[in-house]
Amino acid sequence: GAVVSQHPSRVICKSGTSVKIECRSLDFQATTMFWYRQFPKQSLMLMATSNEGSKATYEQGVEKDKFLINHASLTLSTLTVTSAHPEDSSFYICSARSREPGNTIYFGEGSWLTVV
Amino acid sequence: DAKTTQPNSMESNEEEPVHLPCNHSTISGTDYIHWYRQLPSQGPEYVIHGLTSNVNNRMASLAIAEDRKSSTLILHRATLRDAAVYYCILNFGNEKLTFGTGTRLTIIP
Repeated sequence: GAVVSQHPSRVICKSGTSVKIECRSLDFQATTMFWYRQFPKQSLMLMATSNEGSKATYEQGVEKDKFLINHASLTLSTLTVTSAHPEDSSFYICSARSREPGNTIYFGEGSWLTVV
Repeated sequence: DAKTTQPNSMESNEEEPVHLPCNHSTISGTDYIHWYRQLPSQGPEYVIHGLTSNVNNRMASLAIAEDRKSSTLILHRATLRDAAVYYCILNFGNEKLTFGTGTRLTIIP
């Protein structure tokens, strides 16, 4: 299957700073990428849908000024957590939609963010 | 979003087949049925997908009911590495994937 890569896999940042997570589709072009957040023992919660060359669409309750999403190319989307707080500590997962029949969505390995 | 219903948890003995059910009674004619699994501390992994016909790949088989209102993911010979949360999701076109709670599969050695 297609490969989606996230970086970094783990990051620790101080409260009040910003941190950027990259998501790349390595072997296919993705016009649409998705960002999820997952807390321990819970399911994935969709944060936003990122379309190449346009503004991201955020789910209800997700602050767009706090979680900045940029989808500058067909293979790269970034999530920046601004002014991070300890409650932002979570597992962040990106995914990218392929163009194969069924429009299968492939997921990255996830990024653990710890805000101290 | 068309919803799916899965059992919260299942157990299976190692090296035996596992049948994971999923109900999707409100599925539309264009919805594909996708299965993903998530191991601890990893992103979801694509397993298989289908539309109407049964599908096989190196990881699993997908059996789709004739009326498409239910499907079953079949792991032919479970190993300890198959212990994960399995998600059954309906997907069409440019719709977003919405995850339910999935089925937590435990493999007993």
